[in-house]
Amino acid sequence: GAGVSQSPSNKVTEKGKDVELRCDPISGHTALYWYRQSLGQGLEFLIYFQGNSAPDKSGLPSDRFSAERTGGSVSTLTIQRTQQEDSAVYLCASSLMPGTGEYNEQFFGPGTRLTVL
Amino acid sequence: AQSVTQLDSHVSVSEGTPVLLRCNYSSSYSPSLFWYVQHPNKGLQLLLKYTSAATLVKGINGFEAEFKKSETSFHLTKPSAHMSDAAEYFCVVSDNTGFQKLVFGTGTRLLVSP
Repeated sequence: GAGVSQSPSNKVTEKGKDVELRCDPISGHTALYWYRQSLGQGLEFLIYFQGNSAPDKSGLPSDRFSAERTGGSVSTLTIQRTQQEDSAVYLCASSLMPGTGEYNEQFFGPGTRLTVL
Repeated sequence: AQSVTQLDSHVSVSEGTPVLLRCNYSSSYSPSLFWYVQHPNKGLQLLLKYTSAATLVKGINGFEAEFKKSETSFHLTKPSAHMSDAAEYFCVVSDNTGFQKLVFGTGTRLLVSP
């Protein structure tokens, strides 16, 4: 079956511009995560969505970053006024609803490579 | 707070020799631990997971890892490396509360020579 898909695969933008990154989770997965993979920082959690609940935004690095998830499916990560330090690979993952005491595997998409000039 | 430390940024082996990738963890809770692999230009793939059942965990492609609470370690091993094993490997910890946020190590790049 189809996995997690992300678009675009690559995005080059100029400093100060806004960008939108898209994630299509696996059908039926209610949990959706965004992570960022950058040189020197490794992989870091950004934001988590579960169904229609309020997202956990504790990993967002600044108020220039925001994300939404429409209809409990597709998610968009928006970065406003991009800076060079935003250059990274942005990864999306989805899973069945996390359950206390048990683990539902997070399936990762191929990522969007963002380059801010 | 939870964290993992991958002790080697690069490991080089010859094809057919054993692989050892080292990971130590720190967790306030009973942790779930994972190894993920990332091949060049491909997404992250789960190799194996430990979730408080058997301490010796077997994963895909002949990899296994042993959870050692006394040493707070979760090292990844494989008896015989294959060229296709060359990739970046991440040790990951998650708590069993909340939404199971994954906390990644900095990664170990495995190089396999003929």
